[in-house]
Amino acid sequence: DAGVIQSPRHEVTEMGQEVTLRCKPISGHNSLFWYRQTMMRGLELLIYFNNNVPIDDSGMPEDRFSAKMPNASFSTLKIQPSEPRDSAVYFCASSRGPKPQHFGDGTRLSIL
Amino acid sequence: LAKITQPISMDSYEGQEVNITCSHNNIATNDYITWYQQFPSQGPRFIIQGYKTKVTNEVASLFIPADRKSSTLSLPRVSLSDTAVYYCLAVFYGGSQGNLIFGKGTKLSVKP
Repeated sequence: DAGVIQSPRHEVTEMGQEVTLRCKPISGHNSLFWYRQTMMRGLELLIYFNNNVPIDDSGMPEDRFSAKMPNASFSTLKIQPSEPRDSAVYFCASSRGPKPQHFGDGTRLSIL
Repeated sequence: LAKITQPISMDSYEGQEVNITCSHNNIATNDYITWYQQFPSQGPRFIIQGYKTKVTNEVASLFIPADRKSSTLSLPRVSLSDTAVYYCLAVFYGGSQGNLIFGKGTKLSVKP
């Protein structure tokens, strides 16, 4: 079991650039979650997919954020254009049920 | 308003039992309360979940009173490797961040 795989592990870019974060969930899991973690706000759910369909995207901050899950083994979280306040650690998690069970090691994003 | 409260930090010594309590009013009546452990530069790791009364596994116990307004994670005989941040997760109806809400985390420091 390879676990949830996220890439890149670190991303540093200038504001205004497009950022794409990637996630490969555990095979056989039908739920995928994107979380953002900051010191101030803790762990925030951005979006939750079930069977590749977005179920709850109420946590997506604004239109600059978008997420896709084209198939059961891949998801992306895109920020365009990026802003310094988007700097955070972004986690992907997957499970067989409606709760996040297995988290990846995250992408540490720094927007300069 | 969906809100989870847990202590910011706790200190303990090796071999002691540690109890960390989350307060969570108005959680969904038909869903589990889940606890996670997080080490630096890693994603949260599932520890235990329960619905009511007491649940025990090989690493922890979880106590949930009948009113389900709180839950207590119990770590028996902690060791230095239990130093981490511990989060509880609960489901709320109509939460502003979606229904899955994490507490802000309790940083446990275990000393020799």
